[in-house]
Amino acid sequence: QKEVEQDPGPLSVPEGAIVSLNCTYSNSAFQYFMWYRQYSRKGPELLMYTYSSGNKEDGRFTAQVDKSSKYISLFIRDSQPSDSATYLCAMSYLQGAQKLVFGQGTRLTINP
Amino acid sequence: NAGVMQNPRHLVRRRGQEARLRCSPMKGHSHVYWYRQLPEEGLKFMVYLQKENIIDESGMPKERFSAEFPKEGPSILRIQQVVRGDSAAYFCASSGQAVSYEQYFGPGTRLTVT
Repeated sequence: QKEVEQDPGPLSVPEGAIVSLNCTYSNSAFQYFMWYRQYSRKGPELLMYTYSSGNKEDGRFTAQVDKSSKYISLFIRDSQPSDSATYLCAMSYLQGAQKLVFGQGTRLTINP
Repeated sequence: NAGVMQNPRHLVRRRGQEARLRCSPMKGHSHVYWYRQLPEEGLKFMVYLQKENIIDESGMPKERFSAEFPKEGPSILRIQQVVRGDSAAYFCASSGQAVSYEQYFGPGTRLTVT
């Protein structure tokens, strides 16, 4: 079983829709949770990070962490074609935070 | 451009040759991380370095792979005697703080072994 599971998609939605991206994990020792966006043939770009459980909002993006369910989500409101990319969740431990553990990534397409 | 820089962006090597990948961290960052992304897979941690020190190499294959971050110059990931299975995208990230989850990635080097 992988430490971090993420549905690879692809996921295709119309412009303006609310997008929900999710990851589950098996190791309760994860304390830091990140979302990266990766455009084709580019490096991952850090979107948001949270520590432990709770919500964090940044513009059209909201990250949620539910440690009791070992489940994290990223919501994108008013999705735009420019949001089309692969979204990667990543996690790390309190001790050894340098070692990010990534999900496989979900490929998202926003259709105009 | 103050971002993480990697070169070359594309590298083609024949089996048995050496591949040398370079990474210059963001300005002001002194912590470097290397990750490998195989086709259709997520990124896998390889090694974490500070200037002149390897801090965590738990993700590095035991043979043929090495990394360094000298006092002057970029960090280098070296792969000796490359094999087809080494074909992947290699990403470097940097952070301004030690042991940080807040890592900023470069554009990657795509290695193809023929």
